[in-house]
Amino acid sequence: GQNIDQPTEMTATEGAIVQINCTYQTSGFNGLFWYQQHAGEAPTFLSYNVLDGLEEKGRFSSFLSRSKGYSYLLLKELQMKDSASYLCAVIVTGGGNKLTFGTGTQLKVEL
Amino acid sequence: DTGVSQDPRHKITKRGQNVTFRCDPISEHNRLYWYRQTLGQGPEFLTYFQNEAQLEKSRLLSDRFSAERPKGSFSTLEIQRTEQGDSAMYLCASSPLAGLETQYFGPGTRLLVL
Repeated sequence: GQNIDQPTEMTATEGAIVQINCTYQTSGFNGLFWYQQHAGEAPTFLSYNVLDGLEEKGRFSSFLSRSKGYSYLLLKELQMKDSASYLCAVIVTGGGNKLTFGTGTQLKVEL
Repeated sequence: DTGVSQDPRHKITKRGQNVTFRCDPISEHNRLYWYRQTLGQGPEFLTYFQNEAQLEKSRLLSDRFSAERPKGSFSTLEIQRTEQGDSAMYLCASSPLAGLETQYFGPGTRLLVL
């Protein structure tokens, strides 16, 4: 099976930078996704990493180290609307590309 | 709107009743997934279809749960003899067969079993 760990909660200040970590233990790793989920809404896709390194997309960047089983999501220039749950999910080979999610990190952005 | 749609958005039922949810994926997406999410948890995989074929079912999917995708387009998820433990958000996602295969989620159906 897969085991995915992320912090339960984080708090950051508007305009700041925050890093949300995700560690995973899995066999047949094939990629890692980050989703954002506002309360009561569906998850929305943020980023996807399959190779080691940093993927940058506007204010959001995601990093992956396959050898360490580690990823992080970096959010820059935080805005109040970034307050949400951030879900780390992995896919494995032969798993039909189904996603296995962590419990999510609830980020609160304060003034 | 060409995103994933789900119906109904909310459902309240009494224990023991049957309920059915519908998901309309993004057109031309071959793969369709069902997930269940409870408060404070990430979504958990239930089952997925590639076109009309149901290729995998989670052990979470007891025999009270059944899903279909008869023509490879929309899908239904039925729960028979609902239990209070079935209360959750039921999410549908779709993805293309090729390329990045990112899954795009619908708004979900929130089920409350009384």
